[in-house]
Amino acid sequence: QSALTQPRSVSGSPGQSVTISCTGTSSDVGGYDYVSWYQQDPGKAPKLMIYDVSKRPSGVPDRFSGSKSGNSASLTISGLQAEDEADYHCCSYAGRSTFVFGGGTKLTVL
Amino acid sequence: EVQLVEAGGGLVQPGGSLRLSCAASGFTFSSPWMYWVRQAPGKGLVWVARINGDESVTGYTDSVKGRFTISRDNAKNALYLQMNSLRAEDTAIYYCAKDGAYHIDYWGQGTLVTVSS
Repeated sequence: QSALTQPRSVSGSPGQSVTISCTGTSSDVGGYDYVSWYQQDPGKAPKLMIYDVSKRPSGVPDRFSGSKSGNSASLTISGLQAEDEADYHCCSYAGRSTFVFGGGTKLTVL
Repeated sequence: EVQLVEAGGGLVQPGGSLRLSCAASGFTFSSPWMYWVRQAPGKGLVWVARINGDESVTGYTDSVKGRFTISRDNAKNALYLQMNSLRAEDTAIYYCAKDGAYHIDYWGQGTLVTVSS
């Protein structure tokens, strides 16, 4: 399994919207509606932000949204806040209880 | 509240062994799949191993097959990862993770494994 492809970094100013892309194949992203996104602060464990492409766990602000088209998925953060600065990882179910992750994207709030 | 607490990481020489453990609480441990996921310094997350609730099914990423063994003790609410023949490229933070139905919903804080002479 090859890792999903994410941009290494994105940035935006407070109040703006940013979108992080995640590209896979028909064997992972394109084959299942099971894309998830994780936020990771430095030295901390990942935190689930989006699952099943576009669902938000309880407690995650609705500024975070997810979508998918074909073999690519996206995480959009609207109304960017300083506290959103972190690494973001996409993940796709890849069958037989296995997962494939992206390389991670560093979000900088300017 | 779900809690996953890893232990057992440390410095080991190439070719050596380590056994990681993960103490789970706050959910019915015997039910969900459980995973080990690792993150090399400055790199992305990589799924390493999986195990189902009754230990009847396990799976590994290709790079650890034949060297790592995942197991669980449902009576002790514990997950394990036995790592043998360790290589420098196994150096990473190892996370214990809980299945949430086609995604990982909870992660431990991780334990650092360093393979170096």
